Amino acid sequence: NAGVTQTPKFQVLKTGQSMTLQCAQDMNHEYMSWYRQDPGMGLRLIHYSVGAGITDQGEVPNGYNVSRSTTEDFPLRLLSAAPSQTSVYFCASSYGDRPLGEQYFGPGTRLTVT
Amino acid sequence: GQQVMQIPQYQHVQEGEDFTTYCNSSTTLSNIQWYKQRPGGHPVFLIQLVKSGEVKKQKRLTFQFGEAKKNSSLHITATQTTDVGTYFCAGTGAGSYQLTFGKGTKLSVIP
Repeated sequence: NAGVTQTPKFQVLKTGQSMTLQCAQDMNHEYMSWYRQDPGMGLRLIHYSVGAGITDQGEVPNGYNVSRSTTEDFPLRLLSAAPSQTSVYFCASSYGDRPLGEQYFGPGTRLTVT
Repeated sequence: GQQVMQIPQYQHVQEGEDFTTYCNSSTTLSNIQWYKQRPGGHPVFLIQLVKSGEVKKQKRLTFQFGEAKKNSSLHITATQTTDVGTYFCAGTGAGSYQLTFGKGTKLSVIP
């Protein structure tokens, strides 16, 4: 099992550029989520999904889109990057359709927007 | 929305001293989870508590869930340099699909 994988590991964008952060898991988990981590802010939920075709907003969804066409993949799209989106992004997954158990985190994507 | 507060933000201890971090929620929680994140790494699950008043131990780590299911604590006995990292609590409210994290406590251990 590869667990939760994220690509790329590092990315530098210019303001206004778009990109997609990839997340995949091979554990057949229903629940997947995206967090951003900023210094002193802990992890804040961006979007989550309770299964293929079902997504919803978390605490800080503005500027981000998601889709879940398969159980395995949960990409995060930045449509027009802004410096405020400079952060470390973590994808996570877990059994069931709620976050009521261990969250398996990917290694993260470190994004800088200039 | 649900808020989870965690204190202290930083803790510096001498190796061998004890360490405690506290977590408080604005609402009653269905569960509380604890994670450890090493510098440059990703959060790693430590434990989950679901019952009122629950206490669980993992070697030198003791986790408690309050009677009202609104607060929790993590206590480390006789810290070691391998305990260095940031400890996060995270909770889910009843019927919620969202896991809310505290801001974490960064532990430094002086050898």
